[in-house]
Amino acid sequence: GQQVMQIPQYQHVQEGEDFTTYCNSSTTLSNIQWYKQRPGGHPVFLIQLVKSGEVKKQKRLTFQFGEAKKNSSLHITATQTTDVGTYFCAPRSSEKLTFGTGTRLTIIP
Amino acid sequence: NAGVTQTPKFQVLKTGQSMTLQCAQDMNHNSMYWYRQDPGMGLRLIYYSASEGTTDKGEVPNGYNVSRLNKREFSLRLESAAPSQTSVYFCASSERRPEETQYFGPGTRLLVL
Repeated sequence: GQQVMQIPQYQHVQEGEDFTTYCNSSTTLSNIQWYKQRPGGHPVFLIQLVKSGEVKKQKRLTFQFGEAKKNSSLHITATQTTDVGTYFCAPRSSEKLTFGTGTRLTIIP
Repeated sequence: NAGVTQTPKFQVLKTGQSMTLQCAQDMNHNSMYWYRQDPGMGLRLIYYSASEGTTDKGEVPNGYNVSRLNKREFSLRLESAAPSQTSVYFCASSERRPEETQYFGPGTRLLVL
């Protein structure tokens, strides 16, 4: 079955530094979604990537889908305190949506 | 629109007690889901309902039952709660298929003593 690994599990950065989380699958994916969960909150959809090599940007957030459609990354430039939370990838290779274990981002002011 | 609502927000149970978690969505979505979230484990699918009248098991269905009461409502029942079921439970919905964007409720925090 599909194995999904998301790294790192935790990341502590100084405010203003960059942050990247990676999601790796053992199987080729149809698409991948990214969600953000604020502390004490619920997951909120950020973006969906479908095409091989696709890159999408949302302000300071850059999402990439690998050429082989087996991995993806989320990069945040110049982190701010509002970026605090857990970022989940949600790869799809069948009809069900699975979730990675998440990367918890904390910001040191 | 309220989106996805869940009740209760918090619950404490004793081992062996039963309870039902309620979920409702007002977005006219066909598919609904129940997840549990444990530290370091991410979100794990318990059950889902692709449409009114159908339910299917997810990754961790043991100890749970579900009912898709109508298009709006999808409930999760714990017949005999166990400490291992201490978790945060999220309900979610999507417009048609599981691979579409999922919209989550605020969650129910359950503690089983």
